[in-house]
Amino acid sequence: EDQVTQSPEALRLQEGESSSLNCSYTVSGLRGLFWYRQDPGKGPEFLFTLYSAGEEKEKERLKATLTKKESFLHITAPKPEDSATYLCAVQAGQGAQKLVFGQGTRLTINP
Amino acid sequence: NAGVTQTPKFRILKIGQSMTLQCAQDMNHNYMYWYRQDPGMGLKLIYYSVGAGITDKGEVPNGYNVSRSTTEDFPLRLELAAPSQTSVYFCASSYSSFQPQHFGDGTRLSIL
Repeated sequence: EDQVTQSPEALRLQEGESSSLNCSYTVSGLRGLFWYRQDPGKGPEFLFTLYSAGEEKEKERLKATLTKKESFLHITAPKPEDSATYLCAVQAGQGAQKLVFGQGTRLTINP
Repeated sequence: NAGVTQTPKFRILKIGQSMTLQCAQDMNHNYMYWYRQDPGMGLKLIYYSVGAGITDKGEVPNGYNVSRSTTEDFPLRLELAAPSQTSVYFCASSYSSFQPQHFGDGTRLSIL
């Protein structure tokens, strides 16, 4: 069974304090790993897709990396507006994009 | 562009009632999905569709039904609502199985 585990469940940082969020996965035949951001009362918003081990993608203060067992979302010098829940999901198998999501990491950046 | 629109935003149902959650997208996406999100849990796939007239079950389909008569719309039907169906429901769409999914802002459903 495909599984995704995110850690920590919650993280509180000071503005400017860099850190990383972890997404560990077990899946047969990974087709893609997705990172989403979710604000309270909103739907998930797409951030990145990673397809193969060693791949990295960046967007502003965020950088996502992928190994054969886990992905990291690195947050450099975060700002209060980066506060959100970050979701990781994997896509496996053929056909439609049936994502398996982790439970998310709730990130709070204090000014 | 509106993207993915879900209605209603909030609803309270009594046990045993039925209702339809509406989802519409204006991006001409072929693939559409329904998820539920419970507190502290990841999103779980209920049903998905790869095109008009084609639907299939996801991870947690029991108690739900779907139909897809047009590319734009993908309604989710709850028959005989139960307290276990209290959740936030998200609809999503994607152009293909390789493109990222775009989500609506959800329907918050309470069954009392």
